[in-house]
Amino acid sequence: GAVVSQHPSRVICKSGTSVKIECRSLDFQATTMFWYRQFPKQSLMLMATSNEGSKATYEQGVEKDKFLINHASLTLSTLTVTSAHPEDSSFYICSARTTSDTEAFFGQGTRLTVV
Amino acid sequence: GQNIDQPTEMTATEGAIVQINCTYQTSGFNGLFWYQQHAGEAPTFLSYNVLDGLEEKGRFSSFLSRSKGYSYLLLKELQMKDSASYLCAVTDSNYQLIWGAGTKLIIKP
Repeated sequence: GAVVSQHPSRVICKSGTSVKIECRSLDFQATTMFWYRQFPKQSLMLMATSNEGSKATYEQGVEKDKFLINHASLTLSTLTVTSAHPEDSSFYICSARTTSDTEAFFGQGTRLTVV
Repeated sequence: GQNIDQPTEMTATEGAIVQINCTYQTSGFNGLFWYQQHAGEAPTFLSYNVLDGLEEKGRFSSFLSRSKGYSYLLLKELQMKDSASYLCAVTDSNYQLIWGAGTKLIIKP
């Protein structure tokens, strides 16, 4: 299947700083990317859906000014957690799909710890 | 290496029962998830198992055997809307999600 690479896999940052997470589709063009957050022993929670060249659509309760999503190309989307706080510590995972392929392929996830 | 295996595709009849199997080999284990994904949509959570045994939730049940590295998702009273892909995912010792490729379930009338 298609490969989605997410980087970094783990990051520790200080409270108040910003962290950028990259999601790349390696062998296909990802028109749509999904960003999820997952707390321990809980299900994935969809944060936002981004389409290439358009503004991301955020789920209810997700602060768009805090979680900046950029999907500037067909192979790269980034999620920036701005002014991170300990409560933002979580597991973030992206998935990607094309218009012609209805399956979404997932990245490996990023474990964010804010100290 | 880490690996999740599940069948690529299964076909079942409306009203019947189907079992989707998942076997895993991971560095550590912190739980197994089943997700449902309809074509063109984001996956939705179905179940989570961390202890051995059967978890029942309506028409869907999920079973786990950690010693065997094995899980299955059981769907009863199949409906046409159950046609979807079913994803098995395991959380390893580092809480990294290891995903299976998914099983495409086709329901026929």
